[in-house]
Amino acid sequence: GAGVSQSPSNKVTEKGKDVELRCDPISGHTALYWYRQSLGQGLEFLIYFQGNSAPDKSGLPSDRFSAERTGGSVSTLTIQRTQQEDSAVYLCASSLRGGSNTDTQYFGPGTRLTVL
Amino acid sequence: AQSVSQHNHHVILSEAASLELGCNYSYGGTVNLFWYVQYPGQHLQLLLKYFSGDPLVKGIKGFEAEFIKSKFSFNLRKPSVQWSDTAEYFCAVNAENTGGFKTIFGAGTRLFVKA
Repeated sequence: GAGVSQSPSNKVTEKGKDVELRCDPISGHTALYWYRQSLGQGLEFLIYFQGNSAPDKSGLPSDRFSAERTGGSVSTLTIQRTQQEDSAVYLCASSLRGGSNTDTQYFGPGTRLTVL
Repeated sequence: AQSVSQHNHHVILSEAASLELGCNYSYGGTVNLFWYVQYPGQHLQLLLKYFSGDPLVKGIKGFEAEFIKSKFSFNLRKPSVQWSDTAEYFCAVNAENTGGFKTIFGAGTRLFVKA
């Protein structure tokens, strides 16, 4: 079946602009994760959605970052008033159950964000 | 707090050399352990995982990893690397936190295999 998809694949924006990044998880997966991948920094957890529960936002670096997940499927990560340090690859992953100790995540191709 | 440490950020090997990538974690409770791989231009994908049972886990493409609980380690090994193993490798630990289980990733190790 189809994997996790993300759009756009690349986004170049000017400092101070808002951006929206989209993630379509694997159909039937209840859990959805957003990560940020910066050079040499590994994967930084941002936010986690599990079904209809309140999202775990503990990884969001500032209040300029927000995310929503509509209808338990598609998710949008929004970054307001972008800064140059926001430049990174933003990865989305989904898993079948989430919140489980056997949770295997399936990753999308990522969105490369460049803030000029 | 839960953390994952990968000792080598960059590794360069010749083909047929043996590989061992270190991974240590800090968490005292029950953990589940993963290695993910990202080949150039491709998605992150699961290489192997340990949940319980035999601490020596075999994954795809001849990779294996050994969970040593007393050392809080889950090192990745391959006896003979190939040029096609050039990729970035991430160790990850899933453990129980407030509100449920969370997966934490290490910083990654970039492997370059010379043909």
